[in-house]
Amino acid sequence: GQSLEQPSEVTAVEGAIVQINCTYQTSGFYGLSWYQQHDGGAPTFLSYNGLDGLEETGRFSSFLSRSDSYGYLLLQELQMKDSASYFCAVESNTGKLIFGQGTTLQVKP
Amino acid sequence: GAVVSQHPSWVICKSGTSVKIECRSLDFQATTMFWYRQFPKQSLMLMATSNEGSKATYEQGVEKDKFLINHASLTLSTLTVTSAHPEDSSFYICSARGDRVSYNEQFFGPGTRLTVL
Repeated sequence: GQSLEQPSEVTAVEGAIVQINCTYQTSGFYGLSWYQQHDGGAPTFLSYNGLDGLEETGRFSSFLSRSDSYGYLLLQELQMKDSASYFCAVESNTGKLIFGQGTTLQVKP
Repeated sequence: GAVVSQHPSWVICKSGTSVKIECRSLDFQATTMFWYRQFPKQSLMLMATSNEGSKATYEQGVEKDKFLINHASLTLSTLTVTSAHPEDSSFYICSARGDRVSYNEQFFGPGTRLTVL
């Protein structure tokens, strides 16, 4: 089977940096994705790591270590609009996405 | 960019009725579509994988006779919740992946909120 673990909640202040960790146990691992979801909305794609290392997209970066079955999402220069749920998702070699339970990020002024 | 739509965005129905949800890829051909269900404050749970022209592959524990999936064309997949009951009330989200978009990226529809009375 597959399982993912990420913190349930994270709180930070505007302008700060926050890191959301994700560990996974899976078979047929292909890559790790990150999605953002605001209340009542659909998930939106943030980042993807297929290989070890850091991927940077604007204020968001994502890291993967396949040997450690570990990844993280780094959000810099936090803004109030970043308050949302963040999901890591493992992509299997069959193309399926298995989502973690999500991390609720609350950004405070 | 790749756009996926869902219709309806919300629906309220009586227990025992059937509800059809449509998922369309608007500007690309979706060779594969996925259906998810999300209960409040919970994660997205994959229900089934739908490939155009073939039968859907259901995840373990998902009743294929209750959740009918049809992927009749490269731009349309439908999910029909048959004989809906209050416990089927949830947020249903589809996603699509196709030949024109990044292989590693699934594009999600806006979701359909189903309430069964």
